[in-house]
Amino acid sequence: AQKVTQAQTEISVVEKEDVTLDCVYETRDTTYYLFWYKQPPSGELVFLIRRNSFDEQNEISGRYSWNFQKSTSSFNFTITASQVVDSAVYFCALISGGYQKVTFGTGTKLQVIP
Amino acid sequence: KAGVTQTPRYLIKTRGQQVTLSCSPISGHRSVSWYQQTPGQGLQFLFEYFSETQRNKGNFPGRFSGRQFSNSRSEMNVSTLELGDSALYLCASRGERGAITDTQYFGPGTRLTVL
Repeated sequence: AQKVTQAQTEISVVEKEDVTLDCVYETRDTTYYLFWYKQPPSGELVFLIRRNSFDEQNEISGRYSWNFQKSTSSFNFTITASQVVDSAVYFCALISGGYQKVTFGTGTKLQVIP
Repeated sequence: KAGVTQTPRYLIKTRGQQVTLSCSPISGHRSVSWYQQTPGQGLQFLFEYFSETQRNKGNFPGRFSGRQFSNSRSEMNVSTLELGDSALYLCASRGERGAITDTQYFGPGTRLTVL
């Protein structure tokens, strides 16, 4: 079995603040893939990033950055200088070849206050 | 390329009725997965189709069924609707290879309300 934990249910920040969304995963497989999705109020899940278990390099894309640490089974997501448009629910997800199904975390609702 | 499309976007049904939802994947994608999203249960996997065959399924009752056509479009059917079936139903398609570990791209969803 596999599991994804997003302990932060809701986070509120003031615009321009930095915010980190936590994701902790569990899997017995050595080969697995981690994802982050954004779900704005419209409902569609928007793909943000995919990372495989063999690539522990951190990723930066504009104001977004991801920190993958196998030692702590975490794949955290940081938004720098948050903006109101970042307000959404963010999901972390995991899939491994052995389990064959995508497991989503329960999501973190981010509210950016102007 | 056009994204994943789902129709209808909104649906209101009454208990006991049945409903069919449709999903068209990104052109060239052969894998289509369906998810149910509710406030209480979060995102739950329903099933996945690849090249017209069900490749994987979640833990949902037999009232939930699906199929995939030769053009990769997929339909999901729910029979004998219950109040608890009210949810956002999301469809996702995978890359051309359709590998399980490929990135999924989601459609806008169909919001089903059962009265």
